[in-house]
Amino acid sequence: AQSVTQLDSQVPVFEEAPVELRCNYSSSVSVYLFWYVQYPNQGLQLLLKYLSGSTLVKGINGFEAEFNKSQTSFHLRKPSVHISDTAEYFCAVSDTKSDYKLSFGAGTTVTVRA
Amino acid sequence: DGGITQSPKYLFRKEGQNVTLSCEQNLNHDAMYWYRQDPGQGLRLIYYSQIVNDFQKGDIAEGYSVSREKKESFPLTVTSAQKNPTAFYLCASRFSGGIGYEQYFGPGTRLTVT
Repeated sequence: AQSVTQLDSQVPVFEEAPVELRCNYSSSVSVYLFWYVQYPNQGLQLLLKYLSGSTLVKGINGFEAEFNKSQTSFHLRKPSVHISDTAEYFCAVSDTKSDYKLSFGAGTTVTVRA
Repeated sequence: DGGITQSPKYLFRKEGQNVTLSCEQNLNHDAMYWYRQDPGQGLRLIYYSQIVNDFQKGDIAEGYSVSREKKESFPLTVTSAQKNPTAFYLCASRFSGGIGYEQYFGPGTRLTVT
């Protein structure tokens, strides 16, 4: 069975500072990894995904993530955050054995302060 | 515009009543999903359907029921057997053509049962 651990439940950060959100996963087979963002009282929007190939994945709004197979991690980064990046971020994993169902982490709330 | 609609956005019910949440998509996606979101717990899968007239239980199906009579629609009924129905409910859909296709989410329905 697959599972996801997001290591930080809350991350406060100042505007224009960098941010990293940590995600570790477990799975017995090859995985597909996703980061989603959720603004208050809204649905989830895909930031980026890793399926195969290059381990550095670039997404929307200046976010990027690095897949590290040996450490079973998929950390999300942004070099300079804006107030509008205040949101909850979810890491999710899928694999071929699970019918491509997603397993989600508990989420990381990012609060950007001026 | 293509997308997923969920209605209503807010729903209030008395304990002991069944309630049905609507989910409609015009993305021509084969697979549809229902998740429940509670603070600090991420998203948990209730039911999913990969084709019309077929659906499978997710991790927390007890107290819920679904139907999939049309490709575009996947309504969720929260029955009186669900012990803690107050939550944010999210519907998602996905094109089943291969591994590269992510889930798209609707805006959610917040259900409050008193």
